[in-house]
Amino acid sequence: GQQVMQIPQYQHVQEGEDFTTYCNSSTTLSNIQWYKQRPGGHPVFLIQLVKSGEVKKQKRLTFQFGEAKKNSSLHITATQTTDVGTYFCVRYNFNKFYFGSGTKLNVKP
Amino acid sequence: DTAVSQTPKYLVTQMGNDKSIKCEQNLGHDTMYWYKQDSKKFLKIMFSYNNKELIINETVPNRFSPKSPDKAHLNLHINSLELGDSAVYFCASSHPQGTDVLTFGAGSRLTVL
Repeated sequence: GQQVMQIPQYQHVQEGEDFTTYCNSSTTLSNIQWYKQRPGGHPVFLIQLVKSGEVKKQKRLTFQFGEAKKNSSLHITATQTTDVGTYFCVRYNFNKFYFGSGTKLNVKP
Repeated sequence: DTAVSQTPKYLVTQMGNDKSIKCEQNLGHDTMYWYKQDSKKFLKIMFSYNNKELIINETVPNRFSPKSPDKAHLNLHINSLELGDSAVYFCASSHPQGTDVLTFGAGSRLTVL
């Protein structure tokens, strides 16, 4: 259907360790967006990927869009406690934003 | 300056009651949404309005009735509340030009007892 699957559902890391969440779709995506929701907060847009094989970086965050445009990943290098939250990939198509199941990241200091 | 504001932030009520949540955006966006987030953090789209017209209704029980008096407002009225309606309801808006992204309100936590 319209959903995108995300793994893992939960990830607990020690501060300083790396973290990666993966997003998979059974159909080709026109684009993929990533959002972050802090505990008790609301989702906040991080980035959009459009091109096949695209890689974008935001400081310690690296976002990739697969060559076939069916998967995407978010990698955080050297996690910090401020990275705690749930990360969602989002499929967007004609005014419809479909959220993945999310990956909840917990960072132990 | 709050971009998307929704009220109330918390709502505790009894089963069978009727309640409303209000949302306003000052971003000049054309499209507004209601999302429901359950206890497992799944975010599910409920409704979308574009310039006051309903464009998405994602199989939501008709106890839920959205109303958009103008393109800056989208309210959600819920009749005959059930236990399963307990969730956080997020209002959001977007503007489909360039990079179309969602801007969310802070959320309204509804607890049905």
